[in-house]
Amino acid sequence: NAGVTQTPKFQVLKTGQSMTLQCAQDMNHEYMSWYRQDPGMGLRLIHYSVGAGITDQGEVPNGYNVSRSTTEDFPLRLLSAAPSQTSVYFCASSYLGSTNEQFFGPGTRLTVL
Amino acid sequence: AQSVTQLDSQVPVFEEAPVELRCNYSSSVSVYLFWYVQYPNQGLQLLLKYLSGSTLVKGINGFEAEFNKSQTSFHLRKPSVHISDTAEYFCAVGPMNRDDKIIFGKGTRLHILP
Repeated sequence: NAGVTQTPKFQVLKTGQSMTLQCAQDMNHEYMSWYRQDPGMGLRLIHYSVGAGITDQGEVPNGYNVSRSTTEDFPLRLLSAAPSQTSVYFCASSYLGSTNEQFFGPGTRLTVL
Repeated sequence: AQSVTQLDSQVPVFEEAPVELRCNYSSSVSVYLFWYVQYPNQGLQLLLKYLSGSTLVKGINGFEAEFNKSQTSFHLRKPSVHISDTAEYFCAVGPMNRDDKIIFGKGTRLHILP
């Protein structure tokens, strides 16, 4: 199993550009989520999904869109990048239920100039 | 709603000394509790979790944590740290219902001094 994969590993954008961060998992997990990690702020939940076709907002959803057309994929779209979105982004997945371990991808380091 | 407070942003400790990383939580419902570890330039991985039963939970790499319901705490301990324990540690809570949002604390960076 590849686990949770994320692409790209690094990305530099200019203000106003759009892009999609890819996340895929091969563990048949129903639950997938996106976090951003900033110094001193820990992990903050952006969006999450409990199954294909179902998404919901987390703590910091503004400026980001998600969709879940398949169980395996959960892309995160930045509509118009801003310097405040410079961060490290992590995708995670797990089986449904709060008891279950979340598996994290290796992260995408995004810089917005 | 749940929240997690990690009281120390950084903890320096000498190699082979004991360490305690503190975590307090608040919640209007019963919760499950987790500790995750993030080694440099990597994603997070599960260290241990408390679901029910014995309040002392043992995890990987010699770590353990104790759930204290009256103090709403879930502190992480290790009796003797090694240089390889240098990492950031995150406490997290998950509600005991179908809402699967896991809330993470801000993290504690553990510095091992030679």
